[in-house]
Amino acid sequence: NAGVTQTPKFRILKIGQSMTLQCTQDMNHNYMYWYRQDPGMGLKLIYYSVGAGITDKGEVPNGYNVSRSTTEDFPLRLELAAPSQTSVYFCASSYHPGLADYNEQFFGPGTRLTVL
Amino acid sequence: AQSVAQPEDQVNVAEGNPLTVKCTYSVSGNPYLFWYVQYPNRGLQFLLKYITGDNLVKGSYGFEAEFNKSQTSFHLKKPSALVSDSALYFCAVRESDSWGKFQFGAGTQVVVTP
Repeated sequence: NAGVTQTPKFRILKIGQSMTLQCTQDMNHNYMYWYRQDPGMGLKLIYYSVGAGITDKGEVPNGYNVSRSTTEDFPLRLELAAPSQTSVYFCASSYHPGLADYNEQFFGPGTRLTVL
Repeated sequence: AQSVAQPEDQVNVAEGNPLTVKCTYSVSGNPYLFWYVQYPNRGLQFLLKYITGDNLVKGSYGFEAEFNKSQTSFHLKKPSALVSDSALYFCAVRESDSWGKFQFGAGTQVVVTP
């Protein structure tokens, strides 16, 4: 199993540009998440999905969009990039968090995004 | 609203000494608590969790954590630290009103010196 994969690893955007961060998991997890990590701030949840076709906002959703057309893929779309979106983005997946076992999240390696 | 706090930005310990990383939480209902570790330029890796049952939870790489309901704490411990334990550690709590929402602490950098 490859686990959770993310592309690209690095990206530099100009203000106002758009891009999609890709995330794929091969563990048949129904839950998937997008976080951003800023220094000293921990991880902030952007969006999450409980299954194909179902998404919900997290703590910091403004400026982002997501879709979940398949169990495996959960892309994150940045429209009109802003310097405040400079961050490291992590995708994660899990089985149902309510399970007593096997409910931990598996994280991808991250995408480092800089908006100039 | 749920919250989690890691009061120490950095913990320094000599190799072979006990390691403790502190975490306190605030949540309505029963908490689901997790510890993750992040090595440089890597994603987070799961260490251990408390869902229910014994207050002392054992996890990966010799780590354990003690759930203390009265003090709303979930401190991570290791009896004898290794240099390879140097990393960023995150405590996380699941929000009780949503299965998919987790709050992460700001992280604690652990530095283990030889």
